[in-house]
Amino acid sequence: NAGVTQTPKFQVLKTGQSMTLQCAQDMNHEYMSWYRQDPGMGLRLIHYSVGAGITDQGEVPNGYNVSRSTTEDFPLRLLSAAPSQTSVYFCASSYTSWEAGSTDTQYFGPGTRLTVL
Amino acid sequence: GEDVEQSLFLSVREGDSSVINCTYTDSSSTYLYWYKQEPGAGLQLLTYIFSNMDMKQDQRLTVLLNKKDKHLSLRIADTQTGDSAIYFCAEMGSSASKIIFGSGTRLSIRP
Repeated sequence: NAGVTQTPKFQVLKTGQSMTLQCAQDMNHEYMSWYRQDPGMGLRLIHYSVGAGITDQGEVPNGYNVSRSTTEDFPLRLLSAAPSQTSVYFCASSYTSWEAGSTDTQYFGPGTRLTVL
Repeated sequence: GEDVEQSLFLSVREGDSSVINCTYTDSSSTYLYWYKQEPGAGLQLLTYIFSNMDMKQDQRLTVLLNKKDKHLSLRIADTQTGDSAIYFCAEMGSSASKIIFGSGTRLSIRP
C-alpha cells in the first residue's frame, strides 16, 4: 500500500490563481479529511468526507472546495488563492469516522507546502 | 470554544525522560491523542487515551490524564535522538467529526 499520497509537495501561487491539491489513499478508507497547519496554531480541519459523495465543512472551510467522487480521491480546490492561505496542507484518512467515537488511526499524507504571493 | 494548548519547545538530554504537557478546555472530550511529526513527514498517531482512563503505558510512552484539571501529558522514557520531532496533542470533543490539535511541541535532544 502506498498509504496516503499528496501532490504536489510544494507549490507557489500568485494571489487570485486557482489550483487543486490532490489526495489519494489506497486503503479503502471511508473517512478522509483536509487540515492546514500554521505555525503556532496547530492543525485545523478544513473539510472532511465520511464516504464517496458526502462532504462537510470543518472549522476553516472558507476559500476551499472539496468533492469526493470516489473512495480513493479527495481533492482540495482553492478557488482564488489569497496570502492567508499560505500554509502546509495535510490530507488524512481512516476506516471510520471520528464522530462515531472511532479510535482508528488517522493516516496522514506527507503534506503540501503552499505559498501564495 | 474548544482549545488545546501546548508549550512550543522542549529540550532534554539524551537518556533522560521527556515530559510534554497539554491542556484543553472541552470538558466533554472523549478521546485524547498524541501525534508525532518528524521533519518533512506527515503525522503519525503515537497513542491515545479514553477520557475515563487516568493512565496508559505503551513501551517507553506513558500518557497521564487529569480530567479534573483538563491536563494531558506524554512521558517518553530514555529519550533518544530518534525522538526528535514535533509532538501534537489533540482532542475529540463534543463536536462530531472534528479533532482539535494543539500547536505542537518541538522536542530537541542534546547529547
